Amino acid sequence: EPEVTQTPSHQVTQMGQEVILRCVPISNHLYFYWYRQILGQKVEFLVSFYNNEISEKSEIFDDQFSVERPDGSNFTLKIRSTKLEDSAMYFCASSPEVAGGETQYFGPGTRLLVL
Amino acid sequence: RKEVEQDPGPFNVPEGATVAFNCTYSNSASQSFFWYRQDCRKEPKLLMSVYSSGNEDGRFTAQLNRASQYISLLIRDSKLSDSATYLCVVIDNAGNMLTFGGGTRLMVKP
Repeated sequence: EPEVTQTPSHQVTQMGQEVILRCVPISNHLYFYWYRQILGQKVEFLVSFYNNEISEKSEIFDDQFSVERPDGSNFTLKIRSTKLEDSAMYFCASSPEVAGGETQYFGPGTRLLVL
Repeated sequence: RKEVEQDPGPFNVPEGATVAFNCTYSNSASQSFFWYRQDCRKEPKLLMSVYSSGNEDGRFTAQLNRASQYISLLIRDSKLSDSATYLCVVIDNAGNMLTFGGGTRLMVKP
């Protein structure tokens, strides 16, 4: 069964450093997403991406964040200057069709720890 | 602010019990509804979609009440493997972002 993959599974970084989280969505999917989950809290939407551009983003997704689809398979989330409060599990997801009922398939997540 | 609210639990039940979880959502324009399951330190996984007419998948039954903005999940004949956090998830008609509830933790004991 096809699945979303993410690398690395864990990343530790110093405050102020840049990190890039990588995702390989399911191959025939067209919509890509990033979510985050701070330990003990809700899963929160960050951004959605379609046709090589951001289609929606939350208030969490400020200028420190960016997303890119550098080639036909990868989808990345960059955090330019990490803060302590960026420590969380970051989930990538993909879906084959537009919103309104189509389900999203989640990757296993990258656990980011900012020291 | 659009919210999805759930009782965090935990619900501690014996094997074989029937357990029900509820969820309320604040945005009356919400369009699609789901229950996801999340095991500890793992990704959310779709359990089932929720339809206005109600739907059943084996031991799991989901109901939607649009007038009351209320969603429920019923699990019959609980198994040890049902122990997890159950996430109520909503998509509103403005986009394709999933809005998650905080989850209800279920622990099924032998």
